[in-house]
This record gives sequence, C-alpha cells and structure tokens, in this order.
Amino acid sequence: EAGVAQSPRYKIIEKRQSVAFWCNPISGHATLYWYQQILGQGPKLLIQFQNNGVVDDSQLPKDRFSAERLKGVDSTLKIQPAKLEDSAVYLCASSSGLAGWSGTQYFGPGTRLTVL
Amino acid sequence: AQTVTQSQPEMSVQEAETVTLSCTYDTSESDYYLFWYKQPPSRQMILVIRQEAYKQQNATENRFSVNFQKAAKSFSLKISDSQLGDAAMYFCAYYYGGATNKLIFGTGTLLAVQP
Repeated sequence: EAGVAQSPRYKIIEKRQSVAFWCNPISGHATLYWYQQILGQGPKLLIQFQNNGVVDDSQLPKDRFSAERLKGVDSTLKIQPAKLEDSAVYLCASSSGLAGWSGTQYFGPGTRLTVL
Repeated sequence: AQTVTQSQPEMSVQEAETVTLSCTYDTSESDYYLFWYKQPPSRQMILVIRQEAYKQQNATENRFSVNFQKAAKSFSLKISDSQLGDAAMYFCAYYYGGATNKLIFGTGTLLAVQP
C-alpha cells in the first residue's frame, strides 16, 4: 500500500513570496490533515478535511494560509505572502475514519520550508 | 484544555540496553487514545504504539511497550534491546474524538543510541 505522498520535499523562498504544497493521502482515506512543525516542537494541526469538507481550521492563519481538497482526494496548502516565521516542516497526514474518530494517522515525509 | 508534556528533551541509551521515555498528559475525559510516534532524521512520522484509555492492559509491539497509568495520567514508552535504528525524535500524542477532535503532540524526546 502506498503511503502519504508530499511534494516538494524542500522549498526555499523569499519573504512575501507565495508557495504551495501538495499532498496525496493513502488511497481510500477520507480524512486529511495538514500540520506545521516548527523546529524543536511537536506538530501543530493547521486544518483537517473530511472528504472535501473542512472539519477544523481553527489554527489556520487565514489571512495568509489557504487549503483545499476539491475532489476529496489530494490537497494543496498555500501560503501567500510568506513570513519568516512560516519556516517549518509542513506535514500531511491521513486516516480512514470519520471526523468523530479519525483513528490512527499516517504521515507523509513532509515539506521543509525555509523563508529568507 | 488537553496538554501533553514530555519532560525529557534528550535521552541516550547504549545499544542492546533498555530505555524509558516519559509522557504525562492532562485531560478531563475518560475515553481517549494515546500514541507514541517516531520521527527519524528523514522526518517521516511513524506510529510506534497506540493505547486505548478504556483498556487496562498495556499495549506492546515487539520491543516497544508502554506503561499506562490512567489515574496518574502517565504514558511512558519502554524500548527494550535498543538498536541503532531506534535513534529518532519520539513524540507522545493524545487524541479525543470529541469537540476538540485533534491529535495533540508533546514537544518530543530526542533519543540517541550509542554503539
């Protein structure tokens, strides 16, 4: 079974530029998550999708971050414009369960973003 | 609010020895799930072990086992016969599928394995 795929693996941009990350979850997984992991910290949930609907985006900085999962499969996370403090690893995860209980989450390799 | 605390930023163990990583959490719920995730230098987060709070029996996966003390809100991970490949960041995480509906992570423990 293929795991969670993410691209790109690394990205370096200047502040105020825009950037997008892509995630393809495990086949059949209804729930998809985007996390931000700042160096030395645990991952922090940015947004959770159930199929193509948003379940939780309470910690997503909506003035600059956006995410979509239009067909309920793969997802894109965008930052526009980027700030220095957005430098982090962005992790995508998926699980098979419903929003009420999402079960074990499986993580992708992450995208390491550096904002200069 | 639910919180997860890992008080050991770094740990070291000799190859073939046993090491225990500590985790405490705070919650007012009685039914929840606890996890240990491993994150090697390649950054891919891998599930190590999972514990359902309603189960009294401690979970075990090969060389990995937990000591779940519900009343004390403690969830430690024991790694037996440590191997070089066990070197990684280990995160303790809590999940309650209620209103919060989030996987809450601790700050992690960096485990070094000495040959």
